[in-house]
Amino acid sequence: KQEVTQIPAALSVPEGENLVLNCSFTDSAIYNLQWFRQDPGKGLTSLLLIQSSQREQTSGRLNASLDKSSGRSTLYIAASQPGDSATYLCAATNQAGTALIFGKGTTLSVSS
Amino acid sequence: EAGVAQSPRYKIIEKRQSVAFWCNPISGHATLYWYQQILGQGPKLLIQFQNNGVVDDSQLPKDRFSAERLKGVDSTLKIQPAKLEDSAVYLCASSLVVRGTGELFFGEGSRLTVL
Repeated sequence: KQEVTQIPAALSVPEGENLVLNCSFTDSAIYNLQWFRQDPGKGLTSLLLIQSSQREQTSGRLNASLDKSSGRSTLYIAASQPGDSATYLCAATNQAGTALIFGKGTTLSVSS
Repeated sequence: EAGVAQSPRYKIIEKRQSVAFWCNPISGHATLYWYQQILGQGPKLLIQFQNNGVVDDSQLPKDRFSAERLKGVDSTLKIQPAKLEDSAVYLCASSLVVRGTGELFFGEGSRLTVL
């Protein structure tokens, strides 16, 4: 059964800092892994999707890596801004590859 | 392109009452998911449809929860009777891909408070 863990649960950084959010998953036989952003009271916004055959994906200041063998993914945010403050959720496919299993998220606060 | 639509956005009910949530996925998306997100937790899958068939409902509390997706488009999630622990945000998501998950697109969610 797939389980997803995110560390740390919360993170506070000053504006401009580069940071890394960590995600680990127990079943390495994944179809894909996705990173989402959730603002308070809102739904989830997809940030990056990494297929199982890929090692990383980039979008603007965001870079996500995937290491299936170790069951880990990282989300790197470069030059953080106050607008990046949100909860970031990692999700990996379940054993059947049909749905996403989510971690509890990392709540990021970027101060100006 | 219109996103995933959900209604109502907010609902407050007494325990033992019933409630229904509606979801309209992105046009052409074959796969539809309902997730439950309790405060401070990640979303938990309740049920997954592919077109109008159920793929996975193993975590749906079937004694009180039901869901349907008529004609393979809109979907309704019903809770009857509601319990205090059902207080959560109910998120609907859709995906274009039939095999695997593809990229999931979420609606804004329906926030339920059970008193």
